[in-house]
Amino acid sequence: AAGVIQSPRHLIKEKRETATLKCYPIPRHDTVYWYQQGPGQDPQFLISFYEKMQSDKGSIPDRFSAQQFSDYHSELNMSSLELGDSALYFCASSSMTSEYTDTQYFGPGTRLTVL
Amino acid sequence: KQEVTQIPAALSVPEGENLVLNCSFTDSAIYNLQWFRQDPGKGLTSLLLIQSSQREQTSGRLNASLDKSSGRSTLYIAASQPGDSATYLCAVLYNQGGKLIFGQGTELSVKP
Repeated sequence: AAGVIQSPRHLIKEKRETATLKCYPIPRHDTVYWYQQGPGQDPQFLISFYEKMQSDKGSIPDRFSAQQFSDYHSELNMSSLELGDSALYFCASSSMTSEYTDTQYFGPGTRLTVL
Repeated sequence: KQEVTQIPAALSVPEGENLVLNCSFTDSAIYNLQWFRQDPGKGLTSLLLIQSSQREQTSGRLNASLDKSSGRSTLYIAASQPGDSATYLCAVLYNQGGKLIFGQGTELSVKP
């Protein structure tokens, strides 16, 4: 079965640079979620989109922005990177129209390292 | 504030032991609760999902229970194996289509 795809899997950036993380949800899933997991921390919710509209917002810095495109893939844009942005970034997807509307399926994550 | 807490933070057991991991949540009006497994530096593998109307779910050697009224869930692992060594995370969903709120996890080490 198709899973959530994230790219790149690993990313190394310098401070003050910009990074773009991509997420391709499971086909026919209409909702995408982004989570950030710092070293030794639990995943923290950043932002979510339903049908290309932002549906919820968590502890996402103003330096970050995200959107969901017409093909339902999503991108998380991170500018003016700081050392503290180094983390594992997960994308999850779900479907509000299928039988399992409350199940979020997670991608493998993108490990971002800021030097 | 909706918070999820897991106890203990770390647990080391000899192979073959049965063990229990605990998860508690402050707001009992949950939609569902999910247990995940995470290997070091890796992604999240969903183990069991319990709907708010259910009391338990089982998958192989794993059994998860839910007591909404007391704000608690337990993950029972039978006959533990070294391959079970990982961090186990509990996550609560309060609204359909909403965000998951995670506990800080229990790091399990099963010694051969």
